[in-house]
Amino acid sequence: QQQVKQSPQSLIVQKGGISIINCAYENTAFDYFPWYQQFPGKGPALLIAIRPDVSEKKEGRFTISFNKSAKQFSLHIMDSQPGDSATYFCAASTGGQNFVFGPGTRLSVLP
Amino acid sequence: GAGVSQTPSNKVTEKGKYVELRCDPISGHTALYWYRQSLGQGPEFLIYFQGTGAADDSGLPNDRFFAVRPEGSVSTLKIQRTERGDSAVYLCASSLNARGNSPLHFGNGTRLTVT
Repeated sequence: QQQVKQSPQSLIVQKGGISIINCAYENTAFDYFPWYQQFPGKGPALLIAIRPDVSEKKEGRFTISFNKSAKQFSLHIMDSQPGDSATYFCAASTGGQNFVFGPGTRLSVLP
Repeated sequence: GAGVSQTPSNKVTEKGKYVELRCDPISGHTALYWYRQSLGQGPEFLIYFQGTGAADDSGLPNDRFFAVRPEGSVSTLKIQRTERGDSAVYLCASSLNARGNSPLHFGNGTRLTVT
């Protein structure tokens, strides 16, 4: 019940395209859903986050869509750029404590 | 300002040895977390501190793993009798407080290799 599922495992997108990564959870006590971006040799860095009382949040080219009834949320990267090539992790937590991470999606944006 | 600092960045040790991994959180952050990341996997929760006390250590895999944060700032993760399966990147993160609107700020990790 603590698991967060993430798909796809890897994704290849052309420059300028839309990258979409999906996550699903079971624990309805989760109340905070961040997305992290990780480059090789670096720690994960917060990209964008959402709480379950909001269905969508947009920051620049990054949008989170949240479906509380389906217990799913997704990250959309608009106008994908080669610099976006990284591994993306969704996560969930209850009260900002024990964060549970998905297995990650390796995104490659082709020039 | 300075981010989360972890030392060493790399550590190679022999099976059975003892290792200590250090984390310097962002100044003023009261919550500190340790995660372990294996190759191709997401970070796996180990333990988190609120101040000096371990608020949740349910992720520690066994009693060979121990962490301290004696003054509520720097933390040390200690692994006794290391095993090859302990090889991973150990990530430290801090947050202003352990609340839902306080994101985690990660360091770059310590890559531990047990030979």
